[in-house]
Amino acid sequence: AQTVTQSQPEMSVQEAETVTLSCTYDTSENNYYLFWYKQPPSRQMILVIRQEAYKQQNATENRFSVNFQKAAKSFSLKISDSQLGDTAMYFCAFVTTSGSRLTFGEGTQLTVNP
Amino acid sequence: DAGVIQSPRHEVTEMGQEVTLRCKPISGHNSLFWYRQTMMRGLELLIYFNNNVPIDDSGMPEDRFSAKMPNASFSTLKIQPSEPRDSAVYFCASSRRQYGYTFGSGTRLTVV
Repeated sequence: AQTVTQSQPEMSVQEAETVTLSCTYDTSENNYYLFWYKQPPSRQMILVIRQEAYKQQNATENRFSVNFQKAAKSFSLKISDSQLGDTAMYFCAFVTTSGSRLTFGEGTQLTVNP
Repeated sequence: DAGVIQSPRHEVTEMGQEVTLRCKPISGHNSLFWYRQTMMRGLELLIYFNNNVPIDDSGMPEDRFSAKMPNASFSTLKIQPSEPRDSAVYFCASSRRQYGYTFGSGTRLTVV
């Protein structure tokens, strides 16, 4: 069974600074996809970034980037130049290429302070 | 593209009543998922469909819960009879393989 662990229930950062959210996962599969989702107070689940395990290059989407360490089964999210609108719950998620079931971590509540 | 559409957005019902949640996935997406989110349990997968066929319903809490997908553009999640512990936000999501999972806005269910 696949598991996803986010060890930081809460984090805070000052506006314009950089913050890194941690995620580790466990799987015996070699091919899979990893995601970070953002859930602001509106409760909408928004896809932030996606990484294919077979790609060594870390994914980047504007101010959001990941540090994917396959051997360590680690998938952290870096948010640069944090903005007040980044305040949200962030979920790390995982799915194998052979399956469809998306498994989520427990989430990290990020607060960006002015 | 209107995204995944869920209705209603909010539902308040009395214990014992039947509740039906609805979902319209994104056209062309072949997988559909129902998740439940609570503070205590986080995001739980209840059931998912591939090509309208239920694949895994092991997350459905008990027989009071049932889900259907009669065609590629519509799915329902029904709770009968509802209980206060069913109060949660219920999300529907759809995907085309693993390229991305798009979530609806969720239905906040309150059972009193």
